[in-house]
Amino acid sequence: EPEVTQTPSHQVTQMGQEVILRCVPISNHLYFYWYRQILGQKVEFLVSFYNNEISEKSEIFDDQFSVERPDGSNFTLKIRSTKLEDSAMYFCASGGQGDLAGGYNEQFFGPGTRLTVL
Amino acid sequence: AQSVTQLGSHVSVSEGALVLLRCNYSSSVPPYLFWYVQYPNQGLQLLLKYTSAATLVKGINGFEAEFKKSETSFHLTKPSAHMSDAAEYFCALTWGNFNKFYFGSGTKLNVKP
Repeated sequence: EPEVTQTPSHQVTQMGQEVILRCVPISNHLYFYWYRQILGQKVEFLVSFYNNEISEKSEIFDDQFSVERPDGSNFTLKIRSTKLEDSAMYFCASGGQGDLAGGYNEQFFGPGTRLTVL
Repeated sequence: AQSVTQLGSHVSVSEGALVLLRCNYSSSVPPYLFWYVQYPNQGLQLLLKYTSAATLVKGINGFEAEFKKSETSFHLTKPSAHMSDAAEYFCALTWGNFNKFYFGSGTKLNVKP
């Protein structure tokens, strides 16, 4: 069964360093998302990406964050200068096989990358 | 505005007992509702979804949920809990086409032998 994969599973970094979190969405999906979950809190939407551009972003997704789909298979989240409060589990999701007539989408989630900023 | 509320961050049941995990939502547009399960160190696995067809939705592992518009609820149930059901459960809401998900804060289910 196709699945979304994410690497690394755990990333430890120093405050101020850049990190890149990688995701391989399901191959025929068209919509891509990043969410994060700070320990003990809700899963929060960060950004959605379609047709090689951001379609929506949350207020969390400031200038320190960027996303890219560099090669048609990977989908990356970059944090330019990490802060302590960026420590969280980051989930990638993809979708695009929804029933457009019915107007829903199902998002398939990866296993997450746990980012620890020291 | 959209939001999801899950009552009870921790629920504990005995093996064989009924599981009831509560989810209430607020949405200004017709919602699509999902339940996901997360086992330790794993991703979010879809249990079931409501997409405006049948209001009683059956999912994997014997779980089901009923969409009640009048109560703005989408509670998850299972008649008989198994030890393997111990996990964290998330209710989520979206609407329209390919929009973001709003998640509840999650409920950790503990199953006692």
